[in-house]
Amino acid sequence: ETGVTQTPRHLVMGMTNKKSLKCEQHLGHNAMYWYKQSAKKPLELMFVYNFKEQTENNSVPSRFSPECPNSSHLFLHLHTLQPEDSALYLCASSQDWSGGVTGELFFGEGSRLTVL
Amino acid sequence: DAKTTQPNSMESNEEEPVHLPCNHSTISGTDYIHWYRQLPSQGPEYVIHGLTSNVNNRMASLAIAEDRKSSTLILHRATLRDAAVYYCILRLNYGGSQGNLIFGKGTKLSVKP
Repeated sequence: ETGVTQTPRHLVMGMTNKKSLKCEQHLGHNAMYWYKQSAKKPLELMFVYNFKEQTENNSVPSRFSPECPNSSHLFLHLHTLQPEDSALYLCASSQDWSGGVTGELFFGEGSRLTVL
Repeated sequence: DAKTTQPNSMESNEEEPVHLPCNHSTISGTDYIHWYRQLPSQGPEYVIHGLTSNVNNRMASLAIAEDRKSSTLILHRATLRDAAVYYCILRLNYGGSQGNLIFGKGTKLSVKP
């Protein structure tokens, strides 16, 4: 139990589908992150939210749409994805993002996405 | 961004110590050295971090060279559960974009019984 729960763990979708990934953290943290891990590539930071506000968007295509309704929940809405978007999507949280902290990130187990 | 260099893979025998090296010759004075590991089918987990002095915790030890251009993660007695990809990451000690955790390729550690 890492304190960060991701659902679903596995998702298969067609290129025209709309689906969402959900992340919930039970750690009382204020910052949440989406990372993407493709086969044979390092983890890539996609989005950062701090106190529900998006603070980072690393040039992610608009077919990925994040949503952070509160500090405990983070969603990644998916629509018209491409097969190359198939990857493991990891959510993480940390105590804070701004300010002088070296707080560790706590990761969920990831959602394995396959786009057909 | 300051970069790290790690071997792609290493092998170890169970119950023996493991020394995982990391080179970071362009490290700046405000960079902390962080180690995370990713077990198969799991997300990464924090292992240890340090600035200048060697650090110990229940999972591992971190030995930092005097010039800070390299460091070594030490697992004192490897177990089969330590088989994972180990990431050495430089991270600035303040928040904002400069403090983001940016992963490289890491070292894949295999542990033989």
